[in-house]
Amino acid sequence: DVKVTQSSRYLVKRTGEKVFLECVQDMDHENMFWYRQDPGLGLRLIYFSYDVKMKEKGDIPEGYSVSREKKERFSLILESASTNQTSMYLCASSPTAGGPSEQYFGPGTRLTVT
Amino acid sequence: SQKIEQNSEALNIQEGKTATLTCNYTNYSPAYLQWYRQDPGRGPVFLLLIRENEKEKRKERLKVTFDTTLKQSLFHITASQPADSATYLCALPTSGTYKYIFGTGTRLKVLA
Repeated sequence: DVKVTQSSRYLVKRTGEKVFLECVQDMDHENMFWYRQDPGLGLRLIYFSYDVKMKEKGDIPEGYSVSREKKERFSLILESASTNQTSMYLCASSPTAGGPSEQYFGPGTRLTVT
Repeated sequence: SQKIEQNSEALNIQEGKTATLTCNYTNYSPAYLQWYRQDPGRGPVFLLLIRENEKEKRKERLKVTFDTTLKQSLFHITASQPADSATYLCALPTSGTYKYIFGTGTRLKVLA
C-alpha cells in the first residue's frame, strides 16, 4: 500500500515564526502536492512538484515556499506564519502514469497560528 | 474559469437507501473525473475514476456516472450503511497537467 506520511498531526505556532511541514511518500511517485483545506473553500493547491528540485505554483502560493531535494520528500515552508494560514494542510502524491492516476493523501497537519 | 460545484448541504438518508451525490462543472471538458471519500480530520481517499468515454463505473456498492453533455457526474451508494457517513469529493484534472481541481464536497450522513 502507498503510504504518505506527514511530520505532525497538530501544530501550534506563533505569528512570524518560520514553519516547516514535511511530507514523505514511499512509492517512488514523481508528483507531489501541497494543499490547504478550509471550510467552504475545499482543497486548494498551494504548490506542486513533478520531479526532484522541480516545482510549480498552485492557486494560492503566496506566503509559502517548497523544497524537494529528494524524490520521496516534499516540504512546505511558511516563511513568516500569519493567522490567516491557520488551516488543515494536506500532502499528496501520484505517479506519472501514461494515463490518469489517483492521488494518495497523507493524514493532514492541522496548523494553528496564534 | 473552471469551476466545480457540489451540493454543500449535508445529505441525510436512512440506512439501506441509495444515496446520490452530484458533481457539476463548468468551463471545462475533462478527460476523466475522480471521486474521493474524506473522514473528519483525515486526508481524502480515492474511490473511483471514470473516463469521458465511460457512461458508468461500478465498484461494489458504488456507482458513478459521467454525462459530458450535462457536465455532470452522479455518485451513488446503494444499500447505504452508517459506515458510509463521510464527505465525498469530486476532482477533475486541469488540462495538460497533473494538477486537479477539487469540489468542496458533500457530507453524507446515513442514519441507522
